[in-house]
Amino acid sequence: QQQVKQSPQSLIVQKGGISIINCAYENTAFDYFPWYQQFPGKGPALLIAIRPDVSEKKEGRFTISFNKSAKQFSLHIMDSQPGDSATYFCAASIIGGATNKLIFGTGTLLAVQP
Amino acid sequence: EAQVTQNPRYLITVTGKKLTVTCSQNMNHEYMSWYRQDPGLGLRQIYYSMNVEVTDKGDVPEGYKVSRKEKRNFPLILESPSPNQTSLYFCASRGQDSLHYTEAFFGQGTRLTVV
Repeated sequence: QQQVKQSPQSLIVQKGGISIINCAYENTAFDYFPWYQQFPGKGPALLIAIRPDVSEKKEGRFTISFNKSAKQFSLHIMDSQPGDSATYFCAASIIGGATNKLIFGTGTLLAVQP
Repeated sequence: EAQVTQNPRYLITVTGKKLTVTCSQNMNHEYMSWYRQDPGLGLRQIYYSMNVEVTDKGDVPEGYKVSRKEKRNFPLILESPSPNQTSLYFCASRGQDSLHYTEAFFGQGTRLTVV
């Protein structure tokens, strides 16, 4: 029940295309859903996050779509660029909990081809 | 510059030889945590600390120890490392502000190999 399932494991997209990464969760108590971007040799960096009271959040070329009834959320990268090539992790947390502990998905390796 | 600093970046050690990975943050953050990253498993939390002298277990604490004697430092200690602790380790932190409900700052990582 604490798992966050992420797919696909890897993704190849042409420059200018749309990259879509999907995540699903079981625990309905989760109320914060961040995405992290990790470049090789670096630590994860918080990219964008959403609370379940909205169905979509957009920041530049990055959009989170959230479907509360289906317990799914996804990251869309519009106009994908080679510089977006990285590993992306979805995560979930319970903000009202004592620690706001993060539960991570297994990651998606994105390669954007020029 | 706001940052979380880990040392060393790379470490090869032998089974049973005690080691410490240091972590320091310069943002006066209350919350710090340690994760390990393994292929196909994502990141899993080892230990966390809500503040000085307040630490607790995460999801995979076996074989690890931590301490939080100062707010800025949160070292990870492997008393008797074993090969199954070969992994990529990250330290992270976050403050009490409402902008970041979860860890926003991660260190560069420590790649540990236990032979």
